[in-house]
Amino acid sequence: DAGVTQSPTHLIKTRGQQVTLRCSPISGHKSVSWYQQVLGQGPQFIFQYYEKEERGRGNFPDRFSARQFPNYSSELNVNALLLGDSALYLCASSLTGVGPYGYTFGSGTRLTVV
Amino acid sequence: AQTVTQSQPEMSVQEAETVTLSCTYDTSENNYYLFWYKQPPSRQMILVIRQEAYKQQNATENRFSVNFQKAAKSFSLKISDSQLGDTAMYFCAFPSGGSNYKLTFGKGTLLTVNP
Repeated sequence: DAGVTQSPTHLIKTRGQQVTLRCSPISGHKSVSWYQQVLGQGPQFIFQYYEKEERGRGNFPDRFSARQFPNYSSELNVNALLLGDSALYLCASSLTGVGPYGYTFGSGTRLTVV
Repeated sequence: AQTVTQSQPEMSVQEAETVTLSCTYDTSENNYYLFWYKQPPSRQMILVIRQEAYKQQNATENRFSVNFQKAAKSFSLKISDSQLGDTAMYFCAFPSGGSNYKLTFGKGTLLTVNP
């Protein structure tokens, strides 16, 4: 079975631009979460979606938005990019929530804002 | 606020030796899971081991084991017979805020296994 896939793997954007990151969960998983990992830090929770509904949101500005599609794939959008948005963005999937087996993570999208 | 603290930013160990990574956390929950994730240079977070807080027995997965002290809110990871492929960032994490969807991570420990 394919794992969690994220695209693109790397991205370079200019300040003020908008970016869309994509994630496909493991087949059968209905929950997708997004995390931001700044260099040298642990991942920070951004969103979780379950059955196409937002279940939780972390402490991120409204420039960050996400959605989940009927096939359970997800997009993370960031508007008006700032230099501080440069990070590794990780997508994680699970059947429902964290549960006893945690999340399965993708390899991430490395976003660089210049 | 519920937090996770990893007090060792970097550690190194010789191949075949044993190393212990420390983690403390703060929560008011009684039943929860704790996780150790490994992040090699490939960037993918890989689940190493998990512990159910209501179980007193420490979890073990091959060369990886935990020392879980619930009262002290301590959750350390022991790696036995260290291998070069164990070189990675290691993160301790648990579901915070009473939710079952939000993982809170520590800042990580960079482990280097030397030949």
